Amino acid sequence: NAGVTQTPKFRILKIGQSMTLQCTQDMNHNYMYWYRQDPGMGLKLIYYSVGAGITDKGEVPNGYNVSRSTTEDFPLRLELAAPSQTSVYFCASSYSIGVRTEAFFGQGTRLTVV
Amino acid sequence: AQSVSQHNHHVILSEAASLELGCNYSYGGTVNLFWYVQYPGQHLQLLLKYFSGDPLVKGIKGFEAEFIKSKFSFNLRKPSVQWSDTAEYFCAVYNTDKLIFGTGTRLQVFP
Repeated sequence: NAGVTQTPKFRILKIGQSMTLQCTQDMNHNYMYWYRQDPGMGLKLIYYSVGAGITDKGEVPNGYNVSRSTTEDFPLRLELAAPSQTSVYFCASSYSIGVRTEAFFGQGTRLTVV
Repeated sequence: AQSVSQHNHHVILSEAASLELGCNYSYGGTVNLFWYVQYPGQHLQLLLKYFSGDPLVKGIKGFEAEFIKSKFSFNLRKPSVQWSDTAEYFCAVYNTDKLIFGTGTRLQVFP
């Protein structure tokens, strides 16, 4: 059981470039999340999704876009990379809170924008 | 908007010392509470969770947490820490489809 898989693990982007961070889960979870982690700031929620076709903004959505065409996949898109987007990005998934379960996290993607 | 506060940013302890990390949340309705741990270079793993019932929750590796509704708190405790507990600890609250994290507490345990 792979759980939550993120690709790539590392990436260096130049300012203005675009890229997509991939996230796939094989647990049939309906909820999925994207976070960024910066030193001393904890994890900030970028976007989340409660099911295929439904996405919503989190705490820090500016500069990012997401889509959720399938239950399994929740890619995060950076259209015009900026140095402020240098961070570690984590994807997570869970069942809805009604079934009393925790979120499971991927291994993270370390992104550097230069 | 709901928020989570962790007031201890960096804690340094010797092995066998007792640990208590504070966590306060701002939401007044029904919440579900979690503590996650992140070992160096790794992703987040669940330590323990509270949904309802007994406010004293036991988790893995000897950790426990107490939910005090009147104080909006969910503090993490361990009676005797080990060097292997060196990690970053995050409190999180789950409400209305969002899982919101605190800023984390970095714990260093010295032999």
